Amino acid sequence: EIVMTQSPATLSMSPGERATLSCRASQSVNSRLAWYQQKPGQPPRLLIYGTSTRATGIPARFSGSGSGTEFTLTISSLQSEDFAVYYCQQSDNWPLTFGGGTRVEIK
Amino acid sequence: QVQLQESGPGLVKPSETLSLTCAVSGYSITNGYFWGWIRQPPGKGLEWIATIYLSGSSYYNPSLKSRLTISADTPKNEFSLKLSSVTAADTAVYYCARHSYNYGVDYWGQGTLVTVSS
Repeated sequence: EIVMTQSPATLSMSPGERATLSCRASQSVNSRLAWYQQKPGQPPRLLIYGTSTRATGIPARFSGSGSGTEFTLTISSLQSEDFAVYYCQQSDNWPLTFGGGTRVEIK
Repeated sequence: QVQLQESGPGLVKPSETLSLTCAVSGYSITNGYFWGWIRQPPGKGLEWIATIYLSGSSYYNPSLKSRLTISADTPKNEFSLKLSSVTAADTAVYYCARHSYNYGVDYWGQGTLVTVSS
């Protein structure tokens, strides 16, 4: 099983700041890495797939990068609606696995 | 527009079987993609449970495999999950979803809370 590790667990930021979230895989996932945003009481929303491709309707302030085992989600300028929990997920190998999440909270 | 909707009992007794169904609209489940279940215990992270591909393949989380069955009803455009011998640790919001190797989990149901309690 590929273990996905996200850091930090919590990120305290102010609106307008740049947020950088990290995700590490225990072995290569061949760019089959996705990012999701989840708000309370809602299902996760797909933000990024294939490491760096934004899903339909996702604002350009969200970007993904990385390769192999190290991946990053960057939010260039935090908006009020971006404070949420973010998960990474690999789909290269079964079982599918998710990271433990990073909570982006208002400082 | 693809939509998924979970249905099933919200309360299941310990040792019994949890049964959920996902009704899909706007897309035929026989038209490709994986169709799966993901759960989230209250206040915790996401755990993939099981997936079916209508060509005949099924995939299960090894930690739950002995208790799981996933199936599909193609005329109804639905797929279902059964989890046997449940305990309190199986209490979670259960999501059905569409996913693929290269495009992530692109459609999710709204989720249904299943509580295991006597």
